[in-house]
Amino acid sequence: EAGVVQSPRYKIIEKKQPVAFWCNPISGHNTLYWYLQNLGQGPELLIRYENEEAVDDSQLPKDRFSAERLKGVDSTLKIQPAELGDSAVYLCASSPSPRGETQYFGPGTRLLVL
Amino acid sequence: GENVEQHPSTLSVQEGDSAVIKCTYSDSASNYFPWYKQELGKRPQLIIDIRSNVGEKKDQRIAVTLNKTAKHFSLHITETQPEDSAVYFCAASISGNKLVFGAGTILRVKS
Repeated sequence: EAGVVQSPRYKIIEKKQPVAFWCNPISGHNTLYWYLQNLGQGPELLIRYENEEAVDDSQLPKDRFSAERLKGVDSTLKIQPAELGDSAVYLCASSPSPRGETQYFGPGTRLLVL
Repeated sequence: GENVEQHPSTLSVQEGDSAVIKCTYSDSASNYFPWYKQELGKRPQLIIDIRSNVGEKKDQRIAVTLNKTAKHFSLHITETQPEDSAVYFCAASISGNKLVFGAGTILRVKS
């Protein structure tokens, strides 16, 4: 089966510019996650969706980050405006079960903010 | 909230030797413990997981052990091969709702 798809794979922007990342989960997976991975660290959860509902967004910096999952399939994560400290890899993951076990990760989007 | 600590941060072993990576967690309610392997520039891939009702699980050269009382779990890789070189992450969660990851271990297998 096709894995989790993310685009773009790489993005370079100047600070204060907006940026958006897209994720297409594995077909049939109702649970979708966005993670932030800084260099040399483990992924940190930003937001979790069950279908189209954001059930855990406590770690999402809402002043500049937003996410949506319209129709409960694809998802978009946006940063506006981007800051230098946002440079990182943004990982999307999906899970087949409502409890979210066995998460499958996408390849990530590597963001560099100059 | 949950906190996961992982040791060591780097590990070098000779090809054919065993490698052990250890993690401790803080929330006794955690009941799901996966391990992910991440090669440079690639996605994290699940290699093995264990649930709190099991003390040990094995899959070929990889095994995971869980000590609920001490709140720690370990990854064991036997007969290491160069292709095992990667970053390994442990994680813990309560019913899979939120994975909290360790900081990772860089494993180098020298041939």
